[in-house]
Amino acid sequence: NAGVTQTPKFRVLKTGQSMTLLCAQDMNHEYMYWYRQDPGMGLRLIHYSVGEGTTAKGEVPDGYNVSRLKKQNFLLGLESAAPSQTSVYFCASSPGTEYSPLHFGNGTRLTVT
Amino acid sequence: AQSVAQPEDQVNVAEGNPLTVKCTYSVSGNPYLFWYVQYPNRGLQFLLKYITGDNLVKGSYGFEAEFNKSQTSFHLKKPSALVSDSALYFCARSRGSSNTGKLIFGQGTTLQVKP
Repeated sequence: NAGVTQTPKFRVLKTGQSMTLLCAQDMNHEYMYWYRQDPGMGLRLIHYSVGEGTTAKGEVPDGYNVSRLKKQNFLLGLESAAPSQTSVYFCASSPGTEYSPLHFGNGTRLTVT
Repeated sequence: AQSVAQPEDQVNVAEGNPLTVKCTYSVSGNPYLFWYVQYPNRGLQFLLKYITGDNLVKGSYGFEAEFNKSQTSFHLKKPSALVSDSALYFCARSRGSSNTGKLIFGQGTTLQVKP
């Protein structure tokens, strides 16, 4: 049982380049999330999804897009990377029931130069 | 605005001593409160949660947390620290009074347990 898997683990981009981060979960969870973690700021919600085919903005959505074409996958896209997007990105999922905690992947460390 | 504060960047304790990691939250409705732990190069792992009821919540690995409504605090505690408890700890609250996973996290506290 892999849980939440994120690919890639590391990536270096030049300013203006694009990329997609992939998140896959095998727990049949309804809800999925993308957070970014920056030193001294905790985790901040970028986008989330409450089911296949749905997406919604979180706290810091600018510069990112997401898609949830299949229930088990949640993609995070950067169309034109900026140095301010240098961060560690975490995907999480949950069943969506009232008291359920989040299950996190191991993160993607992205550096934009 | 809703927020979570962890006033200490780092907490140092000796192995075998009790530990406390502090957390306070903004007053807005009746939030759900959580503690997560992060080991190096790993994602966050759930430790415990407060929904309602008993103010002392027990969680994984011997951790517990005390909910104090009047002080808007949710401090994480453990009676006897282990070196393996050394990690980064995050307190989080729900946005509003529902739990949809849209959490507000504190900035994190590094716990260092020395042998």
